[in-house]
Amino acid sequence: EAGVVQSPRYKIIEKKQPVAFWCNPISGHNTLYWYLQNLGQGPELLIRYENEEAVDDSQLPKDRFSAERLKGVDSTLKIQPAELGDSAVYLCASSPRTSGGSRETQYFGPGTRLLVL
Amino acid sequence: AQSVTQPDIHITVSEGASLELRCNYSYGATPYLFWYVQSPGQGLQLLLKYFSGDTLVQGIKGFEAEFKRSQSSFNLRKPSVHWSDAAEYFCAVGDSSNYQLIWGAGTKLIIKP
Repeated sequence: EAGVVQSPRYKIIEKKQPVAFWCNPISGHNTLYWYLQNLGQGPELLIRYENEEAVDDSQLPKDRFSAERLKGVDSTLKIQPAELGDSAVYLCASSPRTSGGSRETQYFGPGTRLLVL
Repeated sequence: AQSVTQPDIHITVSEGASLELRCNYSYGATPYLFWYVQSPGQGLQLLLKYFSGDTLVQGIKGFEAEFKRSQSSFNLRKPSVHWSDAAEYFCAVGDSSNYQLIWGAGTKLIIKP
């Protein structure tokens, strides 16, 4: 079974430029998460999708961040414009569903490491 | 406030020695508890999880963890570490009504040959 796929793995951009990250979850997983992970910290949730619906985007900085999950499969996370403080690892995870709260195991991709200069 | 504390930023252990990584939590509801491992260039992988029942949980790669409610702890153990165990380990807590996990800051495990 293929795992969660993310691309690109690394991205270097100058501040004020746009950037996009792509995620392909495990086949059949309805729930998709985007996390931000700063160095030396645990992941911080940005947005959660149930199929194509963003059910929790309360922690997504909507002035510059946007996300979409067309057809309830692949997802894209975009930053426009990027700031120096956005340098971090962006993780995508998926799970079969979210019945029972956090009972379902989340499966993580390798992440995209973003460096904003 | 809900929180997860991993007191050790990094731990160095000799190969073949035993390991214990500490995790303490502060959580209002009955917690679900998780340990994940993150190897360089890899995604986070679930080692084990505890929901209820037997407080000693077995996981993958020879890891186990013990839930101690009285101490609000969920420490991860392994009797004999291998060089391939070098990675960062994260403890996380959730519950039955909240999909969102609260994560610790991680402990980096260094293995001495």
